[in-house]
Amino acid sequence: VQLVESGGGLVRPGGSLRLSCAASGFTFNSYSMNWVRQAPGKGLEWLSFISSETDDKQYADSVKGRFTISRDNAKNSVYLQMNSLRAEDTAVYYCVRGGIFDYWGQGVLVSVSS
Amino acid sequence: AIQLTQSPSSLSAFVGDRVTLTCRASQGIYTALAWYQQKPGKPPKLLIFESSNLNTGVPSRFSGSGSGTDFTLTISSLQPEDFATYYCQQFNSFPRNFGRGTNIEMK
Repeated sequence: VQLVESGGGLVRPGGSLRLSCAASGFTFNSYSMNWVRQAPGKGLEWLSFISSETDDKQYADSVKGRFTISRDNAKNSVYLQMNSLRAEDTAVYYCVRGGIFDYWGQGVLVSVSS
Repeated sequence: AIQLTQSPSSLSAFVGDRVTLTCRASQGIYTALAWYQQKPGKPPKLLIFESSNLNTGVPSRFSGSGSGTDFTLTISSLQPEDFATYYCQQFNSFPRNFGRGTNIEMK
């Protein structure tokens, strides 16, 4: 099982980024997926969930209305569209498999700063 | 939203010590709780799911217990590689909140 995030970087406040997570080594369309982040020196924060067939999506209050999760089962990928970014969104973002969070990507850094 | 309170926030221990970490939920979550270990610069690693089920490949010195609102993670004999931060997470409902973590340091 491998999860590889990409798309991070430095962005100005108010800007947008789209994170991608490429999955391999398992039957992607059988698993729900999640995004979790960790601000520098802080704890873990669950952000979003998407069911295997995309019919259920959930968000943390801190990102609801600004972030959108999606997936493409044909491409074995899950995405996080992040709009209206704030300084407090600066963090390492992890892509995480399934209902029991058994596999995590290595993470991608998003820095929001002017 | 269900809040998880971990205690202590940090502890110092010797290699070989028996260590017990606690996670308390703000409302009952049955056994829908997981524990993770995280080392600096690395993603978290799943140790325990459904309160007491050891994830594949996790050493048997780790064990979990509890139901409802009170949960524990026990390390029966602390090893040098166990010095890390440990998080609990609830799976009873969304948002899938984490506790703030317990950092285990070497004494």
